[in-house]
Amino acid sequence: NAGVTQTPKFRVLKTGQSMTLLCAQDMNHEYMYWYRQDPGMGLRLIHYSVGEGTTAKGEVPDGYNVSRLKKQNFLLGLESAAPSQTSVYFCASSTGVRNTEAFFGQGTRLTVV
Amino acid sequence: GDSVTQMEGPVTLSEEAFLTINCTYTATGYPSLFWYVQYPGEGLQLLLKATKADDKGSNKGFEATYRKETTSFHLEKGSVQVSDSAVYFCALNEAAGNKLTFGGGTRVLVKP
Repeated sequence: NAGVTQTPKFRVLKTGQSMTLLCAQDMNHEYMYWYRQDPGMGLRLIHYSVGEGTTAKGEVPDGYNVSRLKKQNFLLGLESAAPSQTSVYFCASSTGVRNTEAFFGQGTRLTVV
Repeated sequence: GDSVTQMEGPVTLSEEAFLTINCTYTATGYPSLFWYVQYPGEGLQLLLKATKADDKGSNKGFEATYRKETTSFHLEKGSVQVSDSAVYFCALNEAAGNKLTFGGGTRVLVKP
């Protein structure tokens, strides 16, 4: 009964380093999303995918790339981390059917120093 | 584009007090509206939703009514418990891409 699992849960990066955040869901959902959460700003959509092999930009895509090679996985990459990317990152998935809920992972707290 | 505005926190209450969190939205179409809750150290989980005007969503003693005339979806609970301490997010669902647009979140702290 895993739902949406994010790896890692915590990470500290130095400016300029790269890393990949992994999101895995076991609910056979078509749609997957990456959000970032910053104090007072709610969650903002970075990128999303409406199916295997597809990706699309959200509200704040700059500095991030994504890939959806397998239906169950959605990867978020930071090629050259910046302090402005310090945030809590949440992955979510949904069936894509309107009005149905999205299921969220527990988040990844990333600090860029 | 679509947007959601909710009252800033933190909101501090005593146990058994009445809670209301205001949420208003701007949308070009007819969105569905949601309240998500985030308990400390966890991800977001759906609290309740409403899909059309005048619908009332309810769960765990919380209620919210979709008011199209005032573009609002205020969250209420008649008697809060310490376990209701969390961050509450109002959100709307955009049809294209089935994406959620969130408000800034309201932190609620309930003291015994």
